[in-house]
Amino acid sequence: DIVMTQSPDSLAVSLGERATINCKSSQSVLHSFDEKKYLAWYQQKPGQPPKLLIYWASTRESGVPDRFSGSGSGTDFTLTISSLQAEDVAVYYCQQYYTTPITFGQGTRLEIK
Amino acid sequence: EVQLVENGGGLIQPGGSLRLSCAASGFTVSGNDMTWVRQAPGKGLDWVSFIYSAGGTYYADSVKGRFTMSRDNSKNTLYLQMNNLRVEDTAVYYCARGTQSSANVLGSWGQGTLVTVSS
Repeated sequence: DIVMTQSPDSLAVSLGERATINCKSSQSVLHSFDEKKYLAWYQQKPGQPPKLLIYWASTRESGVPDRFSGSGSGTDFTLTISSLQAEDVAVYYCQQYYTTPITFGQGTRLEIK
Repeated sequence: EVQLVENGGGLIQPGGSLRLSCAASGFTVSGNDMTWVRQAPGKGLDWVSFIYSAGGTYYADSVKGRFTMSRDNSKNTLYLQMNNLRVEDTAVYYCARGTQSSANVLGSWGQGTLVTVSS
């Protein structure tokens, strides 16, 4: 199984500042067939289901604010929130969909400092 | 509007069975790739099972042989039959729809149904 490890486990950032969450996969999720990175990011607010933010490592889902961006290589990925807003308080998960079993990172809790 | 509504959760004793349902609207389950994901209380996301629109199913090792995913196209509903339940199966169970970009990118989620396995 591909193990996804996020860092940090929790993060406190001031409003308007940049937030950066990292995700490392135990093996590459870059598919040589299509040169795509099979990595997605989700946001989960308390009492709600997860919401898709980013897929193919850097493609924003429709309707997601452009302050959210994703980047990364075959094994190391980053979710960046360029200017933190109050509504961004949530737990963020990375997910690999390169192969089954689909696996998620353990989550990063983002709070306001 | 795409909507997914899960039902069927509840309190069940270890070794018991439950069938979860996920009623879809705004799209057809038969034409989409669908996934069940669970989340134990206070924990992270855990992939459970997946069904391709063409019909193939995949399961996590932790549920293989105990859980069965199916769909009823006439009711536009997805099911998860859970047998021989264990305490560690306690979780909120979400159904989710894959996107057009990839079957396992989960673009739409239901609100979830809570399954509690306890004696």
